[in-house]
Amino acid sequence: DAGITQSPRYKITETGRQVTLMCHQTWSHSYMFWYRQDLGHGLRLIYYSAAADITDKGEVPDGYVVSRSKTENFPLTLESATRSQTSVYFCASRVLANDPAQYFGPGTRLTVL
Amino acid sequence: SQQGEEDPQALSIQEGENATMNCSYKTSINNLQWYRQNSGRGLVHLILIRSNEREKHSGRLRVTLDTSKKSSSLLITASRAADTASYFCATLSSNTGKLIFGQGTTLQVKP
Repeated sequence: DAGITQSPRYKITETGRQVTLMCHQTWSHSYMFWYRQDLGHGLRLIYYSAAADITDKGEVPDGYVVSRSKTENFPLTLESATRSQTSVYFCASRVLANDPAQYFGPGTRLTVL
Repeated sequence: SQQGEEDPQALSIQEGENATMNCSYKTSINNLQWYRQNSGRGLVHLILIRSNEREKHSGRLRVTLDTSKKSSSLLITASRAADTASYFCATLSSNTGKLIFGQGTTLQVKP
């Protein structure tokens, strides 16, 4: 049972390049989320999705694009990476809106030079 | 803006002592959850307390919730070196359904 996986685990890119972070879950959870974690800011919600083809903005969506064509995948794209997007990105999922637990992937550490 | 604010930001104790972390939030909630993050790892769900509950226990964990003060506390009793981690509170908004995290408390338990 793989659970929730993220790829790549580490990525170095340059300013202005497009980068896509992948998230895959094997549970068929309805809800999926993208957070970024930065020192002094904790975890901030970027985008979330309640189901396939349904996405919505979180606290810090600017500069990011998401899609959810399949229930199990929720890729996050940085259209034109900036240094301020250097961060650790976590994908998460849960079953229903009020499900007790949210399950997190291992994270992707992204560095934008 | 962050829904949950945690206090203290960092805590260092000796093995065997109790550790208490506090969380304050701003809006109405369905439930409040606590998560743990070991260095370099994702977050792991520890315990959930619903808005109509005041106290909940799970092993060495005790969580309290005061909705009138919009605050919660997490108590870890008889701490162990393996409890060293960051602990985050998260609130599920009754309006949006989104889970919003606080900035976390970093706990160090010295053997």
